[in-house]
Amino acid sequence: DGGITQSPKYLFRKEGQNVTLSCEQNLNHDAMYWYRQDPGQGLRLIYYSQIVNDFQKGDIAEGYSVSREKKESFPLTVTSAQKNPTAFYLCASSRYPDYGYTFGSGTRLTVV
Amino acid sequence: QQQVKQSPQSLIVQKGGISIINCAYENTAFDYFPWYQQFPGKGPALLIAIRPDVSEKKEGRFTISFNKSAKQFSLHIMDSQPGDSATYFCAARPQETSGSRLTFGEGTQLTVNP
Repeated sequence: DGGITQSPKYLFRKEGQNVTLSCEQNLNHDAMYWYRQDPGQGLRLIYYSQIVNDFQKGDIAEGYSVSREKKESFPLTVTSAQKNPTAFYLCASSRYPDYGYTFGSGTRLTVV
Repeated sequence: QQQVKQSPQSLIVQKGGISIINCAYENTAFDYFPWYQQFPGKGPALLIAIRPDVSEKKEGRFTISFNKSAKQFSLHIMDSQPGDSATYFCAARPQETSGSRLTFGEGTQLTVNP
């Protein structure tokens, strides 16, 4: 079945450590996105990529980094510069110029 | 920053009742308005979507009403069921951006009591 796989589902890290969240899709979608979800704040865009080897900052990119070396993969690194990294992270993809997003099941990151 | 404002933040409805969630957008031309449904611990899933050339779209118990002049759109869930209990997000895509970058509302947590 086609879809988006995010791993791991739960992730615990110590403060000051970088951590990388995985996102893989087999939908042959061109565009991929990373969102952060906090209670009561909806979905906030971190980074997005429309084609391989190209990506743009979203609304809350500070403290995060991404790469897009393959069409299928769009990993997100949460760096130690992110001041409040504990959140639920969602990856999504879409086939340009279609508009619908397909979301992964998310990764819940807890930094202690 | 373009915004989509969603209300209410939470909603409690009795089984069989009508759930209504509203969204409004600011002075920007949008060309696509989807609604997403999210269950706890899961990613959002597309529920229903509308384009601004129509005023209403219905799929089963779910209806989107769109008022272009007022820059508002709403989701109506008829005959609400406990299984509809979830968080609902409206979203909009600005015409001037390339790709499919959506702007999301803040979400509405719907609880349908049995």
